[in-house]
Amino acid sequence: GAVVSQHPSWVICKSGTSVKIECRSLDFQATTMFWYRQFPKQSLMLMATSNEGSKATYEQGVEKDKFLINHASLTLSTLTVTSAHPEDSSFYICSATRGWAGELFFGEGSRLTVL
Amino acid sequence: KNEVEQSPQNLTAQEGEFITINCSYSVGISALHWLQQHPGGGIVSLFMLSSGKKKHGRLIATINIQEKHSSLHITASHPRDSAVYICAVRGGNFGNEKLTFGTGTRLTIIP
Repeated sequence: GAVVSQHPSWVICKSGTSVKIECRSLDFQATTMFWYRQFPKQSLMLMATSNEGSKATYEQGVEKDKFLINHASLTLSTLTVTSAHPEDSSFYICSATRGWAGELFFGEGSRLTVL
Repeated sequence: KNEVEQSPQNLTAQEGEFITINCSYSVGISALHWLQQHPGGGIVSLFMLSSGKKKHGRLIATINIQEKHSSLHITASHPRDSAVYICAVRGGNFGNEKLTFGTGTRLTIIP
């Protein structure tokens, strides 16, 4: 079964609305989770590093006020796309590592379409 | 020049063929991952390597730290192997979990 679960798997929203995506580690605690965005036929682009109990670290060019990240517990990180616009339409995916060996798990991904 | 380069970008092969995908990187790393992304978007980590060679079923992954190069091999390829394969490296500093991704190799296996 899934080790990292992401929800929703797809969402369609109107321009100007906000959308929240959840990423949960199911059987382990993740002090750090990562959020990526992927446009069609392109590779993953790291948006931000989500740190439990502290502020997220955003990559250059990613607007922190637009992509709000909250990592309130050791098993849950959320990404909120605020005031979404059509150009925010993309595939968003999270990841977390488990254990000292750093086993890597990805969420199932969330496909966002902004009309 | 990207820090992680993959080749080829696209690969089409007949069922049963032996497949090799290459990854070269230019930075110090603590680990290298091979990932598989299916058309639906979901990503699975196939291997994590820091040295040597690993095998899982028909998949084999090797890494040469001195040459900063890794290969993913698929033996007896099957149409269900069709996917995008992504090489990702983890930074060399302890505790640095950030990944740098290659652009991916789109593999299509024809029955």
